[in-house]
Amino acid sequence: GENVEQHPSTLSVQEGDSAVIKCTYSDSASNYFPWYKQELGKGPQLIIDIRSNVGEKKDQRIAVTLNKTAKHFSLHITETQPEDSAVYFCAASIDSWGKLQFGAGTQVVVTP
Amino acid sequence: DTAVSQTPKYLVTQMGNDKSIKCEQNLGHDTMYWYKQDSKKFLKIMFSYNNKELIINETVPNRFSPKSPDKAHLNLHINSLELGDSAVYFCASSQDKFLAGINEQFFGPGTRLTVL
Repeated sequence: GENVEQHPSTLSVQEGDSAVIKCTYSDSASNYFPWYKQELGKGPQLIIDIRSNVGEKKDQRIAVTLNKTAKHFSLHITETQPEDSAVYFCAASIDSWGKLQFGAGTQVVVTP
Repeated sequence: DTAVSQTPKYLVTQMGNDKSIKCEQNLGHDTMYWYKQDSKKFLKIMFSYNNKELIINETVPNRFSPKSPDKAHLNLHINSLELGDSAVYFCASSQDKFLAGINEQFFGPGTRLTVL
């Protein structure tokens, strides 16, 4: 089955700096890669996703890149703000029923 | 308006008891899921239903039994609760448009289950 590894497990950044989270996946058949943000006491919320026929996608301060050959994808957050502090999860999916294999999560702390 | 709601938010119970968690979505979605998040924040899918039909059933003890009375509801019943069942359980839903490139899963607020 699919296995997703996520690094780092924790990430501390100064406000205004960039944050990068990296994930690798094992199954080359995976074709959908979402990123979820989970704030304290809440459920995860989708922030951006990318499909395997696209190499990069950007939405304001958030961007995701995908390297299918190397089987890794990354989340980039620019100009970080304190409200970006949360746990971020990458995930991968290969089937049409939406079964997501999540990474272990990255705790991001943005200090003012 | 709450899109995906779960009840209860907190559940504290003794080992051996039977308990249920309820989930409802008002998004008109076709597919609903149950996830378990352990103390290390690891999220793992347990079950998924599409239009009341079970489509994903991960390696979960048969003490866990999902039930979907209609496509807007997915409940989780747990028999003979064990200490290791303590976790946060999330319900989620999505529209069945995966092939169209749309598969956002909307998560509920979670139910924190503590087994003593």
